[in-house]
Amino acid sequence: EAGVVQSPRYKIIEKKQPVAFWCNPISGHNTLYWYRQNLGQGPELLIRYENEEAVDDSQLPKDRFSAERLKGVDSTLKIQPAELGDSAVYLCASSFRQGLGEKLFFGSGTQLSVL
Amino acid sequence: GESVGLHLPTLSVQEGDNSIINCAYSNSASDYFIWYKQESGKGPQFIIDIRSNMDKRQGQRVTVLLNKTVKHLSLQIAATQPGDSAVYFCAEKASSYKLIFGSGTRLLVRP
Repeated sequence: EAGVVQSPRYKIIEKKQPVAFWCNPISGHNTLYWYRQNLGQGPELLIRYENEEAVDDSQLPKDRFSAERLKGVDSTLKIQPAELGDSAVYLCASSFRQGLGEKLFFGSGTQLSVL
Repeated sequence: GESVGLHLPTLSVQEGDNSIINCAYSNSASDYFIWYKQESGKGPQFIIDIRSNMDKRQGQRVTVLLNKTVKHLSLQIAATQPGDSAVYFCAEKASSYKLIFGSGTRLLVRP
């Protein structure tokens, strides 16, 4: 079974440019997450989707970040315009609920460098 | 790929020894805990989980211990191997769905 697939693997852009990340979750997983991971830190949630609905976007900087999950499968995360502080690894994860627990499966991430 | 963390707490162990990685969690209402392993250039990989109604859970070569009194979680790795070298994160979740990650510990296995 294929895992969570993300692209691109790396992205280098100049500040004020737009950038987009793509995620294909594990088949059958209706919950999708976007996390940001700064160097030396744990991942921090940006947005969570249940099917095509964003159920928690409270940590998403909405002035410059946007996300969509059309048809409840693939998702894109966009930054426009990018700032130097956006340099990080952007991780996508998907899950399905198992009773009280919920195992998240992560992709390899997109490493963004803003110059 | 990018190194996950350059300034993380580091645990160095000899190959074959047991490793113990500790984590203090923040929310006394958290009822579900997970340990993740992250190798350089990869996303976090699920290792083992435990619910708050348990104190201990064992997997293959790994054991998670939960002490709710002091809000402490530990991951024990038996017979540590070079392939265990990575950054380890604990994560907690309360009744809401939000999974909150700790800051991570780097495990280095000496041959």
